[in-house]
Amino acid sequence: AQSVAQPEDQVNVAEGNPLTVKCTYSVSGNPYLFWYVQYPNRGLQFLLKYITGDNLVKGSYGFEAEFNKSQTSFHLKKPSALVSDSALYFCAVRDDGSTDKLIFGTGTRLQVFP
Amino acid sequence: DAMVIQNPRYQVTQFGKPVTLSCSQTLNHNVMYWYQQKSSQAPKLLFHYYDKDFNNEADTPDNFQSRRPNTSFCFLDIRSPGLGDAAMYLCATSRDVITLGQQFFGPGTRLTVL
Repeated sequence: AQSVAQPEDQVNVAEGNPLTVKCTYSVSGNPYLFWYVQYPNRGLQFLLKYITGDNLVKGSYGFEAEFNKSQTSFHLKKPSALVSDSALYFCAVRDDGSTDKLIFGTGTRLQVFP
Repeated sequence: DAMVIQNPRYQVTQFGKPVTLSCSQTLNHNVMYWYQQKSSQAPKLLFHYYDKDFNNEADTPDNFQSRRPNTSFCFLDIRSPGLGDAAMYLCATSRDVITLGQQFFGPGTRLTVL
């Protein structure tokens, strides 16, 4: 069965510093991996996805993620954090069934301090 | 702009009083999902429609029902809301084969049960 793990409940970073939000995955077959962000009282917004191709995926708002097959990781990164990046981040993997169901991680709260 | 719309954004109901949440989409996606999300936890899939085919998750209580009268609209009915049903309810869509697992989320409806 497909699964993702987000080992950190919260990540704190100073504005202007690089940030990393960690995600590891376990899949049978090819992984379809996603990052979503959620601001308070909002739905989930798509940031980026890895389907195939380059291991470094660039997404919205200056975020990027690196797919690492040997470490089964898909960490979210940004070179310079903004206070406005403070939100809840979810990693997800497409289920291996016949539909597009997503399996979500438990979420990581990112707090960027001025 | 194509989007997923949820109404109302905030819903207050009384214990045991039926309530209906609505979702509409202009993306012409064939798959629609309903999630329940409690206090910064990962979204929990309740059910989804693959075209007209209804797919219930095994652990979704019978108290939750859904209707999809056409491609654009989907409704979540809670027959007898309990205090434990207070949550954010998220609607999402995808297009089989095309979106490859990426789901498009609405802004959510926050349900309060008094």
